[in-house]
Amino acid sequence: NAGVTQTPKFRVLKTGQSMTLLCAQDMNHEYMYWYRQDPGMGLRLIHYSVGEGTTAKGEVPDGYNVSRLKKQNFLLGLESAAPSQTSVYFCASSPEEGRSWEQYFGPGTRLTVT
Amino acid sequence: GNSVTQMEGPVTLSEEAFLTINCTYTATGYPSLFWYVQYPGEGLQLLLKATKADDKGSNKGFEATYRKETTSFHLEKGSVQVSDSAVYFCALTLYNTDKLIFGTGTRLQVFP
Repeated sequence: NAGVTQTPKFRVLKTGQSMTLLCAQDMNHEYMYWYRQDPGMGLRLIHYSVGEGTTAKGEVPDGYNVSRLKKQNFLLGLESAAPSQTSVYFCASSPEEGRSWEQYFGPGTRLTVT
Repeated sequence: GNSVTQMEGPVTLSEEAFLTINCTYTATGYPSLFWYVQYPGEGLQLLLKATKADDKGSNKGFEATYRKETTSFHLEKGSVQVSDSAVYFCALTLYNTDKLIFGTGTRLQVFP
């Protein structure tokens, strides 16, 4: 049981490049989340999903897109990276409605945009 | 709006010292409250929770009491260890929402 895994662990992009971050969970959780963590800002929610085929915007969605084609995977895309998107990105999952507080986090992806 | 405010860190302590990390909240409804911990190089993990006023959450020697009158949920531990060095996040969720709202985190450094 691997829990929540994230790929890649580190990435350096040039401004304007695109990339996709992959999150996978093997706990059969319904809900999945993407956060970014910046110094002094805590965790901010980018997008989330309450089930396969659904997505919703969080607090800071601009510049990002997501897809949840399979229940176990949640992809975060950056179409045209900007230096302001330099951050550590965390994926999380939670079991079901009413337990969204019980979140299980991946180890994070450190992204640098130059 | 709904928000969580934590004391700024870092908090630096010697091993076996008493720990308090302050957390206060603002909420339009009646929130549930949580502490999450992030060890170096890892994702966050749920440490403890409290779902109603006067509830005390506890885990691994850490405790926090939900105080509605002061809108607070301070984290305490009687005797910290070097292995407790981490970043601690206070968070809330409101009934019938799908999201957690996190504070900015407080770094704890414990020295032998």
